[in-house]
Amino acid sequence: EPEVTQTPSHQVTQMGQEVILRCVPISNHLYFYWYRQILGQKVEFLVSFYNNEISEKSEIFDDQFSVERPDGSNFTLKIRSTKLEDSAMYFCASSRRGNTEAFFGQGTRLTVV
Amino acid sequence: RKEVEQDPGPFNVPEGATVAFNCTYSNSASQSFFWYRQDCRKEPKLLMSVYSSGNEDGRFTAQLNRASQYISLLIRDSKLSDSATYLCVVKEGGADGLTFGKGTHLIIQP
Repeated sequence: EPEVTQTPSHQVTQMGQEVILRCVPISNHLYFYWYRQILGQKVEFLVSFYNNEISEKSEIFDDQFSVERPDGSNFTLKIRSTKLEDSAMYFCASSRRGNTEAFFGQGTRLTVV
Repeated sequence: RKEVEQDPGPFNVPEGATVAFNCTYSNSASQSFFWYRQDCRKEPKLLMSVYSSGNEDGRFTAQLNRASQYISLLIRDSKLSDSATYLCVVKEGGADGLTFGKGTHLIIQP
């Protein structure tokens, strides 16, 4: 069964450092998303991406965040200068169309120290 | 502001019982509705989409009331493996992101 894959599963970084989280969406899906979940809190939408551009972003997705689809398979989230409060589980998701179910990767646990 | 409200629980239910969860959503423009389940420290996994006419998938039944902006999930003959957090999720449409509730924690007891 096709699945969304994310790497790494756990990333520890120092405050102020840049991190890149990587995702390979399901191959025939056209919409890609990043979400985050701070420990003990709800899943929060960050950004959606379609047709090689950002479709929607939340207020969390400020200038320190960026996304890219560098090739036909990868979808990345970059955090330029990490803060302690960026510590969370980051989930990538993809869907075939905009109004269909989204499937989530297993997540990257980001710990900023 | 888009909000999805759920009773956080926990719901402690004996194996074999029937349990029902509800949620309400604030954005009347919401177009798509889902239930996901999330196990501890894992990713959300799609349980089922929710359609206006209501739908059933095995032991699970979902209902949608657009007028009241209310979604429900019924689990019959609950199993130990149903223990998880159940997330009510709505979407406006297009490329919009999903709006998640905080989830309802279910514990099935033997």
